[in-house]
Amino acid sequence: EDKVVQSPLSLVVHEGDTVTLNCSYEVTNFRSLLWYKQEKKAPTFLFMLTSSGIEKKSGRLSSILDKKELFSILNITATQTGDSAIYLCAVRRGAQKLVFGQGTRLTINP
Amino acid sequence: EPEVTQTPSHQVTQMGQEVILRCVPISNHLYFYWYRQILGQKVEFLVSFYNNEISEKSEIFDDQFSVERPDGSNFTLKIRSTKLEDSAMYFCASSDRDKGTEAFFGQGTRLTVV
Repeated sequence: EDKVVQSPLSLVVHEGDTVTLNCSYEVTNFRSLLWYKQEKKAPTFLFMLTSSGIEKKSGRLSSILDKKELFSILNITATQTGDSAIYLCAVRRGAQKLVFGQGTRLTINP
Repeated sequence: EPEVTQTPSHQVTQMGQEVILRCVPISNHLYFYWYRQILGQKVEFLVSFYNNEISEKSEIFDDQFSVERPDGSNFTLKIRSTKLEDSAMYFCASSDRDKGTEAFFGQGTRLTVV
């Protein structure tokens, strides 16, 4: 059975801290791994990773994939209160289907 | 910026009634999806749709559910004879290619079955 597991489930930090969110997976016919941010309703796209070891960066966010160890991390540096959200990891299995993890609820306190 | 739009944002229906959730995918996208998220649980895949037919569906997507692209812009999810456990947030998503691109999600329809 396909599995995507995120850790921690919940994280509370102070503004300015750096956080690392983890995602491990066991999925047949892996195609890519995606990170989404879910604030109120819709997941909004952050990154898509297909190759091992290549870091993707967008501002204070970065992510990397390890296809040998079957995991990915999402780093956020110099966190701000606006980073508070649920971060979802999803793996594209086969042509189209996304298998989601349960999410990490990140809370940034001022 | 193009976006996926869903209507209504919230729907309350009585158990046993039929509901239709509507989505307008991004205009040049070819692949359409429905996902759902029961409160406090994971986002779950329901169905994918390409070239006017279902390309993949999950075990959740049984005979109670159907999808349709009735015209060039809308993509609908019909739930027949709703049950209490169908209460969830339903997300529509679209992408322009299959394997190599991200899916863009709509804001969701919160379905409450009473």
